[in-house]
Amino acid sequence: AQSVTQLDSQVPVFEEAPVELRCNYSSSVSVYLFWYVQYPNQGLQLLLKYLSGSTLVESINGFEAEFNKSQTSFHLRKPSVHISDTAEYFCAVSERWAQKLVFGQGTRLTINP
Amino acid sequence: DTAVSQTPKYLVTQMGNDKSIKCEQNLGHDTMYWYKQDSKKFLKIMFSYNNKELIINETVPNRFSPKSPDKAHLNLHINSLELGDSAVYFCASSPGANYGYTFGSGTRLTVV
Repeated sequence: AQSVTQLDSQVPVFEEAPVELRCNYSSSVSVYLFWYVQYPNQGLQLLLKYLSGSTLVESINGFEAEFNKSQTSFHLRKPSVHISDTAEYFCAVSERWAQKLVFGQGTRLTINP
Repeated sequence: DTAVSQTPKYLVTQMGNDKSIKCEQNLGHDTMYWYKQDSKKFLKIMFSYNNKELIINETVPNRFSPKSPDKAHLNLHINSLELGDSAVYFCASSPGANYGYTFGSGTRLTVV
């Protein structure tokens, strides 16, 4: 069965600094990978996803993630963060043909001015 | 607006009561889900329905009973509520595994 590990429960960074949120997954078959963002008291929003093809995927608000099959990782990065990026970030995996998303434990990104 | 909508947004109730949470999506998706988010923000799938048919039941106590009258609706009924049921419950829908999910805004259930 698939599983996801987010290596950092909290990541504090200063505004305009770069950030990386780490995600590793475990699965015996091909997977789809996702990053979701949850702002305070809101539901989850899809940030970006990897299905196939180019291993680097980007979101519209400057985040990117790279699929690394050999390291079974899907780390999320942003070169320069803003206060508005403060949120909880969830990595998720779905095995192909599976009917469910399995989520990591979440990483709380806190941006300090 | 196209969305997944849940009601109510907040629910405070006493132990032992029975309550329901409703979910509706107007996205035309075939599959709907219930997830539970605990106090540590961990998200765990509870149920999944595809076109009104139950396809996932993840060892949830049978006090929890989902009902899908049509593919646009998935309701969650909880009997004999316990303190440990306090959590945020999210409904979601998806057209397929590779599309990701669209989530509702959540129902914060507090059992006192």
